[in-house]
Amino acid sequence: GAVVSQHPSWVICKSGTSVKIECRSLDFQATTMFWYRQFPKQSLMLMATSNEGSKATYEQGVEKDKFLINHASLTLSTLTVTSAHPEDSSFYICSARGEVFANTGELFFGEGSRLTVL
Amino acid sequence: GESVGLHLPTLSVQEGDNSIINCAYSNSASDYFIWYKQESGKGPQFIIDIRSNMDKRQGQRVTVLLNKTVKHLSLQIAATQPGDSAVYFCATLMNSGYSTLTFGKGTMLLVSP
Repeated sequence: GAVVSQHPSWVICKSGTSVKIECRSLDFQATTMFWYRQFPKQSLMLMATSNEGSKATYEQGVEKDKFLINHASLTLSTLTVTSAHPEDSSFYICSARGEVFANTGELFFGEGSRLTVL
Repeated sequence: GESVGLHLPTLSVQEGDNSIINCAYSNSASDYFIWYKQESGKGPQFIIDIRSNMDKRQGQRVTVLLNKTVKHLSLQIAATQPGDSAVYFCATLMNSGYSTLTFGKGTMLLVSP
């Protein structure tokens, strides 16, 4: 199957700093990327959907100025948590979909990025 | 809005037993269903999928059953192994590739040797 890579896997930062998480599709062009947030023992919650070259669509309750998403190329999307606070500590997961998979609807997930804000 | 839920938050089985994980969905417009496995600290891993025009699909040691009448989905794992221990999520899509994935709450499967 297709491979989606996230970096970093783990990040610890001080409160008030900004953190960038990268999501790359390694062997296909990702026309759409999704960012999820997952708290311990809970399901994945969709934060936003980004299409290459356009602004991300955020889910209700997700602050777009807090969670900046950039999808500048067909293989890279970034999530920047700005002015991070301890309540932003979570597991962030990206997934990607390419046109070649459009008929199946299949998504490919990254390995996730664990953010801890001190 | 659509909701997808699971009946059992935790399922404990013995190695070698068959496991059945259930999922209920609410939106009858859902036409594509996926089961994911998520190990601790990792992203979801695709297991098996099924379209709404089918009621059963088999993979290697796994079978997905779909009952559209009662909007119920199940994942059966044959001869469960300790490596199957993980959280399992069902997810649904409407219009296949043209909508976002909705995840269920998840079931933790614990397999004892």
